[in-house]
Amino acid sequence: AQSVTQLGSHVSVSEGALVLLRCNYSSSVPPYLFWYVQYPNQGLQLLLKYTSAATLVKGINGFEAEFKKSETSFHLTKPSAHMSDAAEYFCAVSDRGGNTGKLIFGQGTTLQVKP
Amino acid sequence: GAGVSQTPSNKVTEKGKYVELRCDPISGHTALYWYRQSLGQGPEFLIYFQGTGAADDSGLPNDRFFAVRPEGSVSTLKIQRTERGDSAVYLCASSLLGTGNADTQYFGPGTRLTVL
Repeated sequence: AQSVTQLGSHVSVSEGALVLLRCNYSSSVPPYLFWYVQYPNQGLQLLLKYTSAATLVKGINGFEAEFKKSETSFHLTKPSAHMSDAAEYFCAVSDRGGNTGKLIFGQGTTLQVKP
Repeated sequence: GAGVSQTPSNKVTEKGKYVELRCDPISGHTALYWYRQSLGQGPEFLIYFQGTGAADDSGLPNDRFFAVRPEGSVSTLKIQRTERGDSAVYLCASSLLGTGNADTQYFGPGTRLTVL
């Protein structure tokens, strides 16, 4: 069975500081991995996804994530936080080649950005 | 262009009542998903449609929950004999193809269900 663990339910950074949101996955088959962002009262929006051999994935709004198979990790980073980055972030995994594209989500990390 | 829409945005009902939640996917998307998000949790998969058929309903918690997609577009999630534990935000998503590839799932804003 697949699963996702997001370390830290709450992360607080200062504006301009590095953002690091941690995600570890468990999967018996090569996974697809995703990061979604959820702003208050809005739907989930895809930030980036890992689908191929390119282990460093660049997404929207300056975010990127690196797939590390040896560490079963897919941490999300951004060099310099903006106030507008404050939101809930979810890591998700799906089964490559499976019968459905259903996503298994982590519990989420709330990012707070302090001025 | 139009995204995924869900109606109603909020639904308050009493324990034991029946509710229907509607999802309008992006036009042309063959795959449609329902998820449930409880407070402080990530979304949990409920059911997946490929066209008109429910290809995977393994996430439905019990037989009080049922979903349909009769014409391969709009979907309705139906909950009978609602319980307080059903209170959550119900999310709908659609993607172009589904079926084990990495299609982006586009999410609607959700329906917040409160069972009193």
